[in-house]
Formats: sequence, C-alpha cells, structure tokens
Amino acid sequence: QQQVKQSPQSLIVQKGGISIINCAYENTAFDYFPWYQQFPGKGPALLIAIRPDVSEKKEGRFTISFNKSAKQFSLHIMDSQPGDSATYFCAARFGANNLFFGTGTRLTVIP
Amino acid sequence: DAGITQSPRHKVTETGTPVTLRCHQTENHRYMYWYRQDPGHGLRLIHYSYGVKDTDKGEVSDGYSVSRSKTEDFLLTLESATSSQTSVYFCAISPARDRGGEKLFFGSGTQLSVL
Repeated sequence: QQQVKQSPQSLIVQKGGISIINCAYENTAFDYFPWYQQFPGKGPALLIAIRPDVSEKKEGRFTISFNKSAKQFSLHIMDSQPGDSATYFCAARFGANNLFFGTGTRLTVIP
Repeated sequence: DAGITQSPRHKVTETGTPVTLRCHQTENHRYMYWYRQDPGHGLRLIHYSYGVKDTDKGEVSDGYSVSRSKTEDFLLTLESATSSQTSVYFCAISPARDRGGEKLFFGSGTQLSVL
C-alpha cells in the first residue's frame, strides 16, 4: 500500500511554463514533507521541504503548496527550464527516520 | 555525492548467492539508510542505523540484514539473493541535528541484478 500517492507519472512542459506535481497522503501523523530531485544515474537530492504548520514555502523557482485539511501537497516549478528535466519524488515522514516516498514523476522540459 | 561512496556500483549475481553492498561516508553523520528503488514503487526503506551497532527495520526489510561496526560504514547483506531483489540500492546519510529522516544525502547507487 502506497503511503504517499504521487501524480502524474510523467509530465512534459514547454520551456518557461509551470510544472505542477501533486501528492496526497492519509496518515495525519506525517510531520515533514520533502521533495527530492533525481537525475539519471544519480541519487536523489533534497530540493525543498515543508512542515504541516505552513501552507506554502518558496525557494527560487520552486514552491511547495500544502493543504493540511485535504491532505495534499504539490510542487510548482515556475519558468521551467530544460535543466529541470529530472524525476521528482515527494515524500512524507512518520516519526523518526521513517520516510515514505511517492512513486516519482518524470519531468521533461522541452526547449 | 556528499562524501558517500557505494560499492560496488554494479553487480550481477545468481539466485541463492550471498551479496554484500557497502556504504562508506566521510561526513561523520549519525544516521545511515539503505533504500531500494524500483519502477512504480519509488524509494522504499530497507533498514536504517541511528548509531554504531544500532539498527532498525524499514518498510521492506525481509531478506536483508545490515551491520554498522563503525560510524562511517553501513553494510547491507542479502543472505540468499532472489530475483525479486534485483533493484537499484541507495545508501543515504543524515546529520544528527535532525530527528532523523530529514535532509537525506544519497549516494550514487548500486545496480544489482539477480539472475
């Protein structure tokens, strides 16, 4: 059973457009929600993260929107660039050390 | 990748043979993790360690064991490899200032094929 449901599985966006990836969860005990970015042949790297007491967090072109009541959170990539083409994973932490990942979204940004 | 070395990078083995993957870190971080990555499943936690000789099971621990005799080394052992353990294995580390599970730094992975 997938603890964190992620969609879409793949996404194609034109350069300069907005990329949006969505995640949903059921466990209200999750207390930390990171996003990881992974390039081919590399390990995932932490991109941005949010805690459930905040509704939005922005770092450069990357924004997390968090809706606690709906148990959903999303990653928005503004002004998407070809260099953003990668696989993105949302995740949620339960207790200490138990980090559950979504299934990933492969983003392709077309020049 | 943040002072993390995984070895080997690639391995092909046969069903029923034992396999050990090694993770070595130079960051002196407290927490170390082993994840497996499979299409359609994302990353799933196998085992983690919160100190020397202190380990605990993750979501998919069956068929795997771990050991951490030194802060810098975390070993993952498949006692008797099966085809279902064909996967990409990632080691990750996290500093002690977190409760654990925050700010994970991942290695470059080990591609394991069990034939």
